[in-house]
Amino acid sequence: DARVTQTPRHKVTEMGQEVTMRCQPILGHNTVFWYRQTMMQGLELLAYFRNRAPLDDSGMPKDRFSAEMPDATLATLKIQPSEPRDSAVYFCASGEGGFYGYTFGSGTRLTVV
Amino acid sequence: QKEVEQNSGPLSVPEGAIASLNCTYSDRGSQSFFWYRQYSGKSPELIMSIYSNGDKEDGRFTAQLNKASQYVSLLIRDSQPSDSATYLCAVFQGAQKLVFGQGTRLTINP
Repeated sequence: DARVTQTPRHKVTEMGQEVTMRCQPILGHNTVFWYRQTMMQGLELLAYFRNRAPLDDSGMPKDRFSAEMPDATLATLKIQPSEPRDSAVYFCASGEGGFYGYTFGSGTRLTVV
Repeated sequence: QKEVEQNSGPLSVPEGAIASLNCTYSDRGSQSFFWYRQYSGKSPELIMSIYSNGDKEDGRFTAQLNKASQYVSLLIRDSQPSDSATYLCAVFQGAQKLVFGQGTRLTINP
């Protein structure tokens, strides 16, 4: 089965450090979403891309978060500097467009201490 | 008003009964609607999609859409303990983004 691959699965880092999360979407999928999930806020949309172009990143704290898609096989989400409130599970999802479902990766569980 | 709203539950249903999950959305330009299931510690998994008004059935699951009322629902017939999970409603809005509700935690009691 085709799947979305996220790395790393778990990350523990100290406050102030840079964190980079990676996502390999399913081959042929042209849309990629980044979400953050916490118990309090649920699934928050951070940024999304279509055909590698960023469509909206208004859900991200701009001063510390950045999202890029350097090629069709890789999307990255970077936090610099990281803070304890960034602790959450970060999911990437990919799909073919609005009328099709989106497949989620396994997520990156980030803990900032 | 939240873009996608769900009753957070928990919703408790006896085994074999029908579980009914509801969702409302605010963007009238929304084009497609999805239900995801998420087990604890796992990622969301797509179980149903619906685009047109009316009902769509897939096995024990039925999704219902009413665009005039901006309402989506999911019915699970013959509920099984393995259906215990959090169910997330997702709406693909006119702005080309996929927005999720908070999720409804469902427990099926044997």
